[in-house]
Amino acid sequence: TQLLEQSPQFLSIQEGENLTVYCNSSSVFSSLQWYRQEPGEGPVLLVTVVTGGEVKKLKRLTFQFGDARKDSSLHITAAQPGDTGLYLCAGASGTYKYIFGTGTRLKVLA
Amino acid sequence: NAGVTQTPKFRILKIGQSMTLQCTQDMNHNYMYWYRQDPGMGLKLIYYSVGAGITDKGEVPNGYNVSRSTTEDFPLRLELAAPSQTSVYFCASSYFVAGGGNEQFFGPGTRLTVL
Repeated sequence: TQLLEQSPQFLSIQEGENLTVYCNSSSVFSSLQWYRQEPGEGPVLLVTVVTGGEVKKLKRLTFQFGDARKDSSLHITAAQPGDTGLYLCAGASGTYKYIFGTGTRLKVLA
Repeated sequence: NAGVTQTPKFRILKIGQSMTLQCTQDMNHNYMYWYRQDPGMGLKLIYYSVGAGITDKGEVPNGYNVSRSTTEDFPLRLELAAPSQTSVYFCASSYFVAGGGNEQFFGPGTRLTVL
């Protein structure tokens, strides 16, 4: 059974601080995605990483895929209240099926 | 272009009742999925479909059934509701991307309570 563990589970920080969220597994994934979910809504895709060691930037968010394609991280620089939400990683299990992580709930205080 | 729509938004069921959660997408995506999300947790895959007439089990299929008679529709059936099925249910659709990384588009969810 493939599992994706995210840490930390909860994070509450002040506006302007930096943070990193981790997504770890013992399984190899062909690609990995990060989603953000706001209360009462479905998840929305932030990024997909495909190659081991790949780094992608989306404004203040930096995503990295581990060299062995078993783990990933999301780093947010100078967090803002608008970054508040549930962050989910999802690893590709085959061509079209994804296994979701346990989630990290982020709250950024103004 | 409505994307992925789900009905109903909320539902309360009694133990043993049955219901169908509806999901429709207008993006002509081949792949469709049903997930459940328990409070504060990630998503668990219930069933998925790679095209009309083709469905397969995900991680937590027990107590549920699906059908896919058209590209657009992917209903989820609960036959004998149990309190353990209290959850938020999300439908999603995606298309194949060469090189990997199919983006999933999610509906707004159905919040189901079984009492």
